[in-house]
Amino acid sequence: EVQLVESGGGLVQPGGSLRLSCAASGFTFSNYVMTWVRQAPGKGLDWVSSIGGSGAGTHYADSVKGRFTISRDNSKNTLFLQMNSLRAEDTAVYYCARVSGSFGPPDYWGQGTLVTVSS
Amino acid sequence: QSALTQEASVSGTVGQKVTLSCTGNSNNVGSYAVGWYQQISHGAPKTVMLGNSLPSGIPDRFSGSKSGTTASLTISGLQPEDEADYYCSTWDYSLRARVFGGGTKLTVL
Repeated sequence: EVQLVESGGGLVQPGGSLRLSCAASGFTFSNYVMTWVRQAPGKGLDWVSSIGGSGAGTHYADSVKGRFTISRDNSKNTLFLQMNSLRAEDTAVYYCARVSGSFGPPDYWGQGTLVTVSS
Repeated sequence: QSALTQEASVSGTVGQKVTLSCTGNSNNVGSYAVGWYQQISHGAPKTVMLGNSLPSGIPDRFSGSKSGTTASLTISGLQPEDEADYYCSTWDYSLRARVFGGGTKLTVL
């Protein structure tokens, strides 16, 4: 059974940093593109970043480019999102998801972790 | 403003057939498979369609199709538990980004 479990969310002040993790199980992690998607309170789904199976080939939304870094540790089946220079508008539930194929749609989702940026 | 356009709201009665649409362009919907996601009360998204393939565990009253730059999700035989927000998503090779629609709120009357 495919499982994705996010962790690392919490309350952080504007300008602060946070590192999210997503522990994957139930599939060959290194074979899949992985992605982060967020949802601000009362808003729709918003793509953040994606990374290829080998760790190469990263893509970022313009809103987070230069501030967020996606990475993965295939030996530990874990996806990461390093978030720096956080802003109030980054407040959201962050979901990790497995992508079906190189540029296919996400097929499995985690339960999400809440990031709140506030002073 | 979302790259993919969805109806803001759709409603139907129990047993009715409803179709949700997702309109993009040749850089996204016209070139890549579209995923559809059900979200109930802002819980985790649940995948209900991948292109025109039904994920395991999803009732076969859900079906997906695409014509040109518009993808559609059809629910035949609407059930009360289908009331949710539905989002579509695909890759955009021009933007080099994943794009989502703004979501459709489906109400079962």
